[in-house]
Amino acid sequence: EAGVTQFPSHSVIEKGQTVTLRCDPISGHDNLYWYRRVMGKEIKFLLHFVKESKQDESGMPNNRFLAERTGGTYSTLKVQPAELEDSGVYFCASSSRTGTIGGYTFGSGTRLTVV
Amino acid sequence: GQQLNQSPQSMFIQEGEDVSMNCTSSSIFNTWLWYKQEPGEGPVLLIALYKAGELTSNGRLTAQFGITRKDSFLNISASIPSDVGIYFCAGQNYGGSQGNLIFGKGTKLSVKP
Repeated sequence: EAGVTQFPSHSVIEKGQTVTLRCDPISGHDNLYWYRRVMGKEIKFLLHFVKESKQDESGMPNNRFLAERTGGTYSTLKVQPAELEDSGVYFCASSSRTGTIGGYTFGSGTRLTVV
Repeated sequence: GQQLNQSPQSMFIQEGEDVSMNCTSSSIFNTWLWYKQEPGEGPVLLIALYKAGELTSNGRLTAQFGITRKDSFLNISASIPSDVGIYFCAGQNYGGSQGNLIFGKGTKLSVKP
């Protein structure tokens, strides 16, 4: 089966611009997660979708970040306007059941650089 | 919020040497996980630990879930060049709507042939 696909793999944008990251989970996986790793820091949870509903968005940094999952398939994460501190690697992961123990499959990530 | 302290931050070792890294937390987790991330890839699960005191092996990797549920270690025996990468520990509490992972900052491993 195809894995979790993220697009783009890299993005360099200027401060104040808008960027949209996309994640295609494994087909049939209802649970979709977004995580972010800022350089040298830990990978941090951003939010969790179950199908098209936001189950937990407690990790979203601020209202410049907007995540959607229309139709419960792929998800987008939009940053508008981007700030320097938003730079990092954004990972998407999916699983077939909520609370699956360690059962996440991660994508390769999108490396975002804000200059 | 919950935080994990992972050490060491980086390691430079000779091929064939054994490696040990660990994670500690101020709070309890139901599950401890160890991931490896290679350049340009996402984290890949190496070992999952479900019970306090559990010792689990996966090839040359061995990990243990601390008896207090607040710590875990990962050992790699007889390291080889392909062991290079960043190793992350992660704690997980599950049930209900939970399931998100709390990660350590990672241990960057370099292996000299």
